[in-house]
Amino acid sequence: EPEVTQTPSHQVTQMGQEVILRCVPISNHLYFYWYRQILGQKVEFLVSFYNNEISEKSEIFDDQFSVERPDGSNFTLKIRSTKLEDSAMYFCASSTGTYPLEQYFGPGTRLTVT
Amino acid sequence: AQRVTQPEKLLSVFKGAPVELKCNYSYSGSPELFWYVQYSRQRLQLLLRHISRESIKGFTADLNKGETSFHLKKPFAQEEDSAMYYCATIQGAQKLVFGQGTRLTINP
Repeated sequence: EPEVTQTPSHQVTQMGQEVILRCVPISNHLYFYWYRQILGQKVEFLVSFYNNEISEKSEIFDDQFSVERPDGSNFTLKIRSTKLEDSAMYFCASSTGTYPLEQYFGPGTRLTVT
Repeated sequence: AQRVTQPEKLLSVFKGAPVELKCNYSYSGSPELFWYVQYSRQRLQLLLRHISRESIKGFTADLNKGETSFHLKKPFAQEEDSAMYYCATIQGAQKLVFGQGTRLTINP
């Protein structure tokens, strides 16, 4: 069964550095998402992406964040200048966009900002 | 904005006992509600969606519009049910809004 994959599984970076988190969505899916989960808190929506543009973003997704689909398979989340509070688990998800609206999640990337 | 609330962070029951994980939502219309589960060291995966009214791994969840609830139930818990359970709703253009999650532990 096809799955969403994410790399790396764990990323450690220093405050102020740029990081790129990578995701390979399921191949026939059209909608892509990033969520994050700070330790001990709920899973929060960051951004959704369709037809090569952002379709919705949360207030968390400020100018420090960007997403891209650089080729036909990868979907990336870039944080330009990481802050301590960006430390979290970042989940990528994808869906066909048609009913019943199920989103398939990747295993997550744990980002630690020191 | 739509919200889901899971009042219990932790729930512990014995194997064979009934399980109920609570979820309440705030939305005046017809919500799209889901239960996601995350087993240890595994990814988030969809367990149930309210529209399909199905039973998965013995779990069921009924939408109660009067009580604005979508509680997850299983009559006889099994040890392999131990996991994090998240209630979620769709808001806007397919944005999932999650509850806080409930960690379910099944004691032998």
